[in-house]
Amino acid sequence: SYELTQPPSVSVSPGQTASMTCSGDKLGDKYVCWYQQKPGQSPVLVIYQDARRPSGIPERFSGSNSGNTATLTISGTQAMDEADYYCQAWDSSSASNRVFGGGTKLTVL
Amino acid sequence: QVQLVQSGAEVKKPGASVRLSCKASGYTFTNYYLHWVRQAPGQGLEWMGIFDPSGVSTGFAQMFQGRVTMTRDTSTSTVYMDLSSLRSEDTAVYYCAREYREGDGMDVWGQGTTVTVSS
Repeated sequence: SYELTQPPSVSVSPGQTASMTCSGDKLGDKYVCWYQQKPGQSPVLVIYQDARRPSGIPERFSGSNSGNTATLTISGTQAMDEADYYCQAWDSSSASNRVFGGGTKLTVL
Repeated sequence: QVQLVQSGAEVKKPGASVRLSCKASGYTFTNYYLHWVRQAPGQGLEWMGIFDPSGVSTGFAQMFQGRVTMTRDTSTSTVYMDLSSLRSEDTAVYYCAREYREGDGMDVWGQGTTVTVSS
């Protein structure tokens, strides 16, 4: 089955840029989505179709996807951005299946 | 407003089955796929399966094949997921989430249902 790999943790200072990666075989050939999850809450979609932002998501969130790696970037990171972030893609080898990465804990120091 | 409302918490014994529900409102029920995703305590998100309310087709993660069934009630815009042969490892928060089409992402999530499997 298809696997997505994310670093367990990323740290950033307030106001700086945070980048987190998601790796998978030929990931650039698939659409990638990113979700933010804060403790005790349901996940929130922050990026879809690699780089598009849903309505209501701040412009500081951006995404890219090429080769084997997708990246979520948060510019001017704020304390409220501290959360777990999950990438998700479609496992084309298994019909309708979706797959999540293991998640990255973003800490804003 | 658009929302998915899930059923309440469940406590089950090993070997039992559980039925979870996810009631959609504020949008056309048959226009969106419905996913089930679970999260064990302290762990990440795990995709379980997808349900197409318009065609009643389903797809499951391989590890749940044979243990998961998904059905719908169009009169109440509700999707049900049955999980059988429960074991302690099935203890988790179970979410439903909608997606318009592949790549669009799961843009609306339910509040989650906690399932505890314990003897």
